[in-house]
Amino acid sequence: GAGVSQSPSNKVTEKGKDVELRCDPISGHTALYWYRQSLGQGLEFLIYFQGNSAPDKSGLPSDRFSAERTGGSVSTLTIQRTQQEDSAVYLCASSSAYQETQYFGPGTRLLVL
Amino acid sequence: GEDVEQSLFLSVREGDSSVINCTYTDSSSTYLYWYKQEPGAGLQLLTYIFSNMDMKQDQRLTVLLNKKDKHLSLRIADTQTGDSAIYFCAERKSSASKIIFGSGTRLSIRP
Repeated sequence: GAGVSQSPSNKVTEKGKDVELRCDPISGHTALYWYRQSLGQGLEFLIYFQGNSAPDKSGLPSDRFSAERTGGSVSTLTIQRTQQEDSAVYLCASSSAYQETQYFGPGTRLLVL
Repeated sequence: GEDVEQSLFLSVREGDSSVINCTYTDSSSTYLYWYKQEPGAGLQLLTYIFSNMDMKQDQRLTVLLNKKDKHLSLRIADTQTGDSAIYFCAERKSSASKIIFGSGTRLSIRP
């Protein structure tokens, strides 16, 4: 597609349930990022995939959070046993190798009740 | 360490210039960015500057970098109502590393 896409656009879940958020990067982009933006806050880095290298997971807030990137393309961010403080907009971005510009998706708005 | 700081709010009159400031702590940062986020919309890259540059101008936007003080600014000339948004400063060590964002500055325009 023309840009980064994310699904679902909105997700409402109950506390304790697991959720999966999906990101489709721009075709050919080797780098993929996940960020979290809580209400009125800046972007919090979560995880970064670059090609076949081991991902940089340094931003994941707890072991309830994990992410995969299959075949170097689509990525799934999984949050297990969701908590209310997980409510936020989860943003995905991609870039081509060694490019200065990241392209952001529209985000998934997660609400944990 | 990695930290990017911005003031939270800025209010300017329509037609005036807006100057949004940012400080960062990582002196090894190579790329510095300004992103714009309009209400309900995604992040849009406005401009970026390499650390070996002092200034970059793009139409109404001027980016100034003071590497010694680790200070970055974005000047928007002739500010319009369509410039109302949150502006994020961000830094990156190299093209192979993650981007660290500031908390954003909310720019509001008054008539």
